[in-house]
Amino acid sequence: DTEVTQTPKHLVMGMTNKKSLKCEQHMGHRAMYWYKQKAKKPPELMFVYSYEKLSINESVPSRFSPECPNSSLLNLHLHALQPEDSALYLCASRQHSGDSYEQYFGPGTRLTVT
Amino acid sequence: GQQLNQSPQSMFIQEGEDVSMNCTSSSIFNTWLWYKQDPGEGPVLLIALYKAGELTSNGRLTAQFGITRKDSFLNISASIPSDVGIYFCAGRFSPLNAGGTSYGKLTFGQGTILTVHP
Repeated sequence: DTEVTQTPKHLVMGMTNKKSLKCEQHMGHRAMYWYKQKAKKPPELMFVYSYEKLSINESVPSRFSPECPNSSLLNLHLHALQPEDSALYLCASRQHSGDSYEQYFGPGTRLTVT
Repeated sequence: GQQLNQSPQSMFIQEGEDVSMNCTSSSIFNTWLWYKQDPGEGPVLLIALYKAGELTSNGRLTAQFGITRKDSFLNISASIPSDVGIYFCAGRFSPLNAGGTSYGKLTFGQGTILTVHP
């Protein structure tokens, strides 16, 4: 099983709203990622969690706040977003040990900021 | 940072034709991954390559890890309409004496948009 789930599938929010994106995997992976993707462009890395600790923040604005409550869950808290933040937000996970660098992506959350 | 040049940017082919796309880099990569993304969905891993010269197949798909470790190729044989989508290559760069871990950070190509006409 290589399934990563994400909720919600779609989200529309105003610039003053607070919302959260959720990601879950039950593959025992200990590395989890958040990406942002614009239409017909490659995914852009935002955050990396390794063993539930934030390892990489790719200079993401503070209006995006990640959280890893446990080894299976990854959240992305959103506050005071801008219209240009509208995009597909992807979660991915990877087995941390060994030589496997295969990242498995979830279906994404389509975010629209109005 | 490391960059991947993926070509072609787009392809329009007839059903049944073979397809070839590639990625090149100025840096040596230790891992090459190929993904396919359907509209509104997340990328799906097709093939993973870990050794220079490695040739791996997955059904009608064949990918190769270039011997110079700076390129990779993906071929699709006898294309069908469901092959439509965007194909991304991704590489893991691990410089010598990095003194740390890359946390599996990937560099993505710009994608190849494939259209298959029935």
